[in-house]
Parts: sequence; C-alpha cells; structure tokens
Amino acid sequence: DGGITQSPKYLFRKEGQNVTLSCEQNLNHDAMYWYRQDPGQGLRLIYYSQIVNDFQKGDIAEGYSVSREKKESFPLTVTSAQKNPTAFYLCASTRGGGTGTGELFFGEGSRLTVL
Amino acid sequence: QKEVEQDPGPLSVPEGAIVSLNCTYSNSAFQYFMWYRQYSRKGPELLMYTYSSGNKEDGRFTAQVDKSSKYISLFIRDSQPSDSATYLCARWTSNTGKLIFGQGTTLQVKP
Repeated sequence: DGGITQSPKYLFRKEGQNVTLSCEQNLNHDAMYWYRQDPGQGLRLIYYSQIVNDFQKGDIAEGYSVSREKKESFPLTVTSAQKNPTAFYLCASTRGGGTGTGELFFGEGSRLTVL
Repeated sequence: QKEVEQDPGPLSVPEGAIVSLNCTYSNSAFQYFMWYRQYSRKGPELLMYTYSSGNKEDGRFTAQVDKSSKYISLFIRDSQPSDSATYLCARWTSNTGKLIFGQGTTLQVKP
C-alpha cells in the first residue's frame, strides 16, 4: 500500500538534545512538507521541498533543519535551538509541488515531548 | 494578519443539524482553497477543494468561496456523530507550492 510513514510515533527527549524525525513516502511524490501542530494553532509550515536536494523555509523554520537526499525521504531534525519543541509533527507529500492542487497526503504524525 | 484565519471553536451541535464552518483569507492571488478533516491523533485528510471562487458539492458537504469578501465556508448537512473532528481550511498557491492552514475548528456532533 502506498503512503507516508513517520517514525517514531512518540518520542521523549531531554532539553539540549537534538532529535531526528523520519518521514518516508512510496507515492512517488516530488514535493514533501513538514508541519508542526499545537493546540488551537492549526498546522504551521516548518520546511518544504519541491525536488531532491532543494528545500525552502516555511513560516517557523528556526531551530529546525532538514535534508532531501532521496525523493522518498525528508527527515526533520529538531535542534536544541528550538525553544519550544514539544508538539505534534506532521509530514506530508504531494505530486507536483508547483503544479498540483494542494492535495497533500499526510502521515500519522510524531508526537515529541521534551522533558 | 495571518494568511488564513479560522475560529477554533469548539463547536457543538446535535445530530442532524446543519453545520457552517468559516475562514477568511488575506491574499487575493490565484489559488485553490481546501478543507481538510482531522480525527484525533491522526493526520489530516483532504475533504474538498474549490478553485478560487464558487461552490462545490459532495454528498452532505458543500464548499463555498466568496472572493469579494475573502470568505471560505464549509457546510455539512444532516451532521452525524462520525463528523466529529477538527476541520482545517487551507490556501494553496501553485506558484510557491505552499499550503497554508487556518487554526482549525473542532466540531462535536452529539447523538
């Protein structure tokens, strides 16, 4: 079955530690996205990538980093510089970043808690 | 001003009621408007989309865009308990490939 797989589903981290969230898709989509969701704030765009080896900052990129070395993979690193990292993180993909209709397919999310 | 604004609710209605969910947007560029539905602890899924202006109907759901007032609406007829979820409006701009979401409205339909 085609889809987007995020791992881990739940993650606990101590303050000051970096953590990497995995996102893999087998939909052959060109564009991939990372969003953060906090209660009452909807989804906020962290980073997005429309093609391999290229990515752009979203609205809240500070304290995060990404890479896009393969079409099917778009890992997100939450660094120690992110001041408030506890959140629900969602990865998504779509067929053609600039030519599609905005139909993003989402993974099940990763819930990060900083202790 | 946020690009897409949505009242977070929560909204509670009895089963069978007509539900109206609304958003406003600030950018008038050529674009699509989407409605996503998100069940608790799950990723959002696309419910409907409309192109710049007009209405679109799909079963019990109708999406409406009013360009003159920059207003986006989703109507749910004969609401069911299974419609209880968070509804997110979003704006897609094809030249940037970005999808920007509103805050989401949490809906509860009581049996």
